[in-house]
Amino acid sequence: DAGITQSPRHKVTETGTPVTLRCHQTENHRYMYWYRQDPGHGLRLIHYSYGVKDTDKGEVSDGYSVSRSKTEDFLLTLESATSSQTSVYFCAIRTGPKDTEAFFGQGTRLTVV
Amino acid sequence: RKEVEQDPGPFNVPEGATVAFNCTYSNSASQSFFWYRQDCRKEPKLLMSVYSSGNEDGRFTAQLNRASQYISLLIRDSKLSDSATYLCVPDTGRRALTFGSGTRLQVQP
Repeated sequence: DAGITQSPRHKVTETGTPVTLRCHQTENHRYMYWYRQDPGHGLRLIHYSYGVKDTDKGEVSDGYSVSRSKTEDFLLTLESATSSQTSVYFCAIRTGPKDTEAFFGQGTRLTVV
Repeated sequence: RKEVEQDPGPFNVPEGATVAFNCTYSNSASQSFFWYRQDCRKEPKLLMSVYSSGNEDGRFTAQLNRASQYISLLIRDSKLSDSATYLCVPDTGRRALTFGSGTRLQVQP
């Protein structure tokens, strides 16, 4: 178990409100990722991080920001939530002997009403 | 061309059947490949890693064809519990990890 937890696990929020999702890991892995998953689209990369204060955009980064001020925490923020951001959000880290294998958190189910 | 492409399926097969599905990738620099299994409404979990031409683990075999740029997953003697979505991801050496959209397998009694 790579020791990765996401919080909250479920959230309902109103359109226009800010939302922050947290991903916490306990083993000092360098890489951390945020994905969203919607029916028919698979896993789509939002943002990722290589280390503290080192982040980059993925393919669907519009409307999202991230921060990584500590190795163990990677925060995903929706500045002003929209209904199109209703989704399941997965955090992942890279582990394994060559730091190539992804290990996922249990996901956060976000509903924007 | 998408970085990773998979046939979405569903592949409907009877118990005991052998089934195979492919994943094509566009980046010829990809060195290693991974298959993940995802159950409905759950997180993906690593099924198999491929660092050379292929890998075998029990009923599961992954084969890499670098010339045609695809990796296949073969499941022998399918079980009901194999029903899931199978995702592939090539490791291109870049920081980003891009997953295929997955192939859904439904094993029927």
